[in-house]
Amino acid sequence: EPEVTQTPSHQVTQMGQEVILRCVPISNHLYFYWYRQILGQKVEFLVSFYNNEISEKSEIFDDQFSVERPDGSNFTLKIRSTKLEDSAMYFCASLGQGMNTEAFFGQGTRLTVV
Amino acid sequence: KQEVTQIPAALSVPEGENLVLNCSFTDSAIYNLQWFRQDPGKGLTSLLLIQSSQREQTSGRLNASLDKSSGRSTLYIAASQPGDSATYLCAVRPPGANSKLTFGKGITLSVRP
Repeated sequence: EPEVTQTPSHQVTQMGQEVILRCVPISNHLYFYWYRQILGQKVEFLVSFYNNEISEKSEIFDDQFSVERPDGSNFTLKIRSTKLEDSAMYFCASLGQGMNTEAFFGQGTRLTVV
Repeated sequence: KQEVTQIPAALSVPEGENLVLNCSFTDSAIYNLQWFRQDPGKGLTSLLLIQSSQREQTSGRLNASLDKSSGRSTLYIAASQPGDSATYLCAVRPPGANSKLTFGKGITLSVRP
């Protein structure tokens, strides 16, 4: 079965440092997403990406965040200067075309900012 | 703005019981609804996708129903097992080619041996 792969599984970083979370979506999918889940809270949308540009972003996705798909396979989320409140599980998801397609999620990266 | 609610937040049942998990959403203009399973500290595993035009979808011991007009979905689990213990989340997707999912907070299920 196809799968979305995320690395690393866990990252600990100091406040103010930059982090890059990596994702390899399913190869024939067109739409890519980042979501996050703060411990004990809902999974919440951050950003969607299609055709090499951002389609939609939430109010959480401020100037500290950026996404790119540098080589046609990897999909990355960069947080420039991490804050304590960025500690969360970050999920990458990908979606194929059509109404009948399900969103596939990666196993997540647990980011801990200390 | 779409809101998805799952009540109760937690449920404990004895092994073998049939159970129903509820999900409600405020905006009935959806493309589809997806049920996920999440084990503690882990990722989201898709269980069932039900399109807006469908009433039911089945996979093994799981059956999801959708009543779009009333903004409700249920996930029925037959003959529950301790291995079913996990958090179950529902998420709705509005129309649009690359629309985002809106999640409920999930129901944490514990199946007692």
